[in-house]
Amino acid sequence: GDSVTQMEGPVTLSEEAFLTINCTYTATGYPSLFWYVQYPGEGLQLLLKATKADDKGSNKGFEATYRKETTSFHLEKGSVQVSDSAVYFCALSWNTGNQFYFGTGTSLTVIP
Amino acid sequence: SAVISQKPSRDICQRGTSLTIQCQVDSQVTMMFWYRQQPGQSLTLIATANQGSEATYESGFVIDKFPISRPNLTFSTLTVSNMSPEDSSIYLCSVDRQGRGEAFFGQGTRLTVV
Repeated sequence: GDSVTQMEGPVTLSEEAFLTINCTYTATGYPSLFWYVQYPGEGLQLLLKATKADDKGSNKGFEATYRKETTSFHLEKGSVQVSDSAVYFCALSWNTGNQFYFGTGTSLTVIP
Repeated sequence: SAVISQKPSRDICQRGTSLTIQCQVDSQVTMMFWYRQQPGQSLTLIATANQGSEATYESGFVIDKFPISRPNLTFSTLTVSNMSPEDSSIYLCSVDRQGRGEAFFGQGTRLTVV
């Protein structure tokens, strides 16, 4: 069945460090791929998405490229800030209104 | 983005009791989704609720334990019945409000069963 595997956490980085959180998926075909972020005490928010192969999603300095060859959608940011401290979830979905499959989440803490 | 209001935001309940969680969306949506997020874990879909029909439950979840109502296109409730400490989780409702394949989530209900 469909599934998402993402990098184990927690991850601790110093401010301005480079961030990579790995995400790979298993699915038959080419689903849409997402990164969601959950800040402390808040609900999940969409961070970025890509709907087809080679698409790059970007938002707030974060980027992820849909790689069908490696079935991956790794999240990257060139320079993290303390305010980026949150839990990040990789997810896939097939079409409008359909259910989402989430990875286990990666907790990121950025220290000054 | 969608505005999804979920109530209560948190509760502490005695084992054996039931809690009903409400989810109100600011626009009409076809499907509403209920997820559970157990401590330190990812989100697991409980069921999909369509207006005017029975909810569709995922493997491992049953209607007797998690009855769902969907009386109209902007509202749904999830009841956690006969609670035990293992039901302590965050429960979230989700919709694809704008039909763009993007899930919008409520703030969640943090449930603790003692």
